[in-house]
Amino acid sequence: ETGVTQSPTHLIKTRGQQVTLRCSSQSGHNTVSWYQQALGQGPQFIFQYYREEENGRGNFPPRFSGLQFPNYSSELNVNALELDDSALYLCASSGGQGSYNEQFFGPGTRLTVL
Amino acid sequence: AQSVTQLDSQVPVFEEAPVELRCNYSSSVSVYLFWYVQYPNQGLQLLLKYLSGSTLVKGINGFEAEFNKSQTSFHLRKPSVHISDTAEYFCAVRGRDAGGTSYGKLTFGQGTILTVHP
Repeated sequence: ETGVTQSPTHLIKTRGQQVTLRCSSQSGHNTVSWYQQALGQGPQFIFQYYREEENGRGNFPPRFSGLQFPNYSSELNVNALELDDSALYLCASSGGQGSYNEQFFGPGTRLTVL
Repeated sequence: AQSVTQLDSQVPVFEEAPVELRCNYSSSVSVYLFWYVQYPNQGLQLLLKYLSGSTLVKGINGFEAEFNKSQTSFHLRKPSVHISDTAEYFCAVRGRDAGGTSYGKLTFGQGTILTVHP
């Protein structure tokens, strides 16, 4: 069974640019959540997708957007990058949208905005 | 809405000593409770979770935690730590199928860095 994978591992962008991060869910999982973890902080919930629809969102501006594909892989897109967007971005997949479903985390993508 | 407070940002201990990492939470609804561990340059791994039933839950690597509803706490304990337990630990909560826009949301604390010295 393949776990959650994310790409790329590291990324460097400049302020104002756009970035796309990718996540492959664990086999059989139809729900994916994205989190932002700034240095020295706990992860912050960005949004969740269930069967290709966004069904939950944290306190992030609209320039953070996402997609979930029919094979349940997912993308996180961030437009107009700001310095404060520098963080570790974590993707987590689960077998359902219910709160009792365990979320399995990927290793993350480290984004640096210069 | 939920919030989580981890009372210690860093906990240094010697190998084979017991350890307790403290977590308090606040929520307007009933919650599920979790502890995750994060090793350097890695994602999060679930240590244990409380969904219902016995308030004492056992997890991987010899860790356990006790849910105390009256004190809104979920402290993590291990009776004897190893060097390999050195990592950052996160307490997290989720509303019980509250629905709405917070459906999948895990709310994390700030983390506690556990350092085990030989």
